[in-house]
Amino acid sequence: NAGVTQTPKFQVLKTGQSMTLQCAQDMNHEYMSWYRQDPGMGLRLIHYSVGAGITDQGEVPNGYNVSRSTTEDFPLRLLSAAPSQTSVYFCASSPSGKNTEAFFGQGTRLTVV
Amino acid sequence: AQKITQTQPGMFVQEKEAVTLDCTYDTSDQSYGLFWYKQPSSGEMIFLIYQGSYDEQNATEGRYSLNFQKARKSANLVISASQLGDSAMYFCAMRERSRDDKIIFGKGTRLHILP
Repeated sequence: NAGVTQTPKFQVLKTGQSMTLQCAQDMNHEYMSWYRQDPGMGLRLIHYSVGAGITDQGEVPNGYNVSRSTTEDFPLRLLSAAPSQTSVYFCASSPSGKNTEAFFGQGTRLTVV
Repeated sequence: AQKITQTQPGMFVQEKEAVTLDCTYDTSDQSYGLFWYKQPSSGEMIFLIYQGSYDEQNATEGRYSLNFQKARKSANLVISASQLGDSAMYFCAMRERSRDDKIIFGKGTRLHILP
């Protein structure tokens, strides 16, 4: 009963490096999303997807790319990491078109030095 | 403009007392959902309760209830008989049908339960 799996749990990057945060869900959910959580800011939506092949920007998309080639996977790419991207990142999934809750991964704590 | 407003950054409540966490929202949709999540110090996001915009009754889940006042656009979380384990960050969230069912969150309220 895996649910939403995020990897890695912790990561330290140097400024300018690139990396991909992985997110996979095994619940056949159409909707997937990425959030970042910063102190005092709540969870802010970075990108989301309503199905394979469809992605869209959220509130804070700059510096991040996503793709959705399968229903199960929704990776988040940081192209050139900046200290401002130091944050906790959450991936979430849910059935689409319904008013149901999102299921969250355990989060990735990213530090950019 | 903020779509979800949680005006209480932090609250201190005595154990066993009831507590109300405020949430107001802004939408022009007729169909939307409201959610509350709990985030303990361990960091995971725990779903607590859901209220649909067409639901006439306030949602309840054990010690949690959602005081839904549609005309005022408010969706306050009420925790009855608070416990030490209720100390956590609490987030209000909304999902709008007209906006791709995106789920957006408020900034949260940190609740401290005092023994």
